[in-house]
Amino acid sequence: DTGVSQNPRHKITKRGQNVTFRCDPISEHNRLYWYRQTLGQGPEFLTYFQNEAQLEKSRLLSDRFSAERPKGSFSTLEIQRTEQGDSAMYLCASSSRLSLNTEAFFGQGTRLTVV
Amino acid sequence: EDQVTQSPEALRLQEGESSSLNCSYTVSGLRGLFWYRQDPGKGPEFLFTLYSAGEEKEKERLKATLTKKESFLHITAPKPEDSATYLCAVQTSSSRQNFVFGPGTRLSVLP
Repeated sequence: DTGVSQNPRHKITKRGQNVTFRCDPISEHNRLYWYRQTLGQGPEFLTYFQNEAQLEKSRLLSDRFSAERPKGSFSTLEIQRTEQGDSAMYLCASSSRLSLNTEAFFGQGTRLTVV
Repeated sequence: EDQVTQSPEALRLQEGESSSLNCSYTVSGLRGLFWYRQDPGKGPEFLFTLYSAGEEKEKERLKATLTKKESFLHITAPKPEDSATYLCAVQTSSSRQNFVFGPGTRLSVLP
């Protein structure tokens, strides 16, 4: 399977704990995105990488959220001191470097539940 | 601020009953409009990209069209397996590389 891979698929954590999610993009895709989606809503932009550089970050993104993409390959999204409001589906997507306007391909997401 | 709305919020069709979903946008400088399909508990699956008014794309029972203010996803003779949420997203000159999504339309096709 050469699609976008996300791990874990599901995560249940207690409020106040830290969690980390991993995303492996499609090989050779240099653009990588993180989105968050709550029930009944469309995905909401969190952050964007081009290669290893984090070029955009949503104003809505709390300081408790941090993302990295070392060496421009896989990416991790960490949430510190989780809150119940962080419960959502976290989606990763990647797109090709060959065009400025091109579709993004999504992974299956990580469902986070904060109890 | 770029805004994307979708209507209806939910749609129930009988198998074979054709219909259209609407995506309206208010943006500064549209660079691309994207349609995705999303099944429950899964990530969005790419369907179409449209770049300019008048453009049309087709895939099986689906056809996407684009005007200067909106896009339509036409579903011809739908089958129960077409049941899903259909999401519309835009890339604009202000959103740059990121995608701004609408809330989606939940489609149910009854046998």
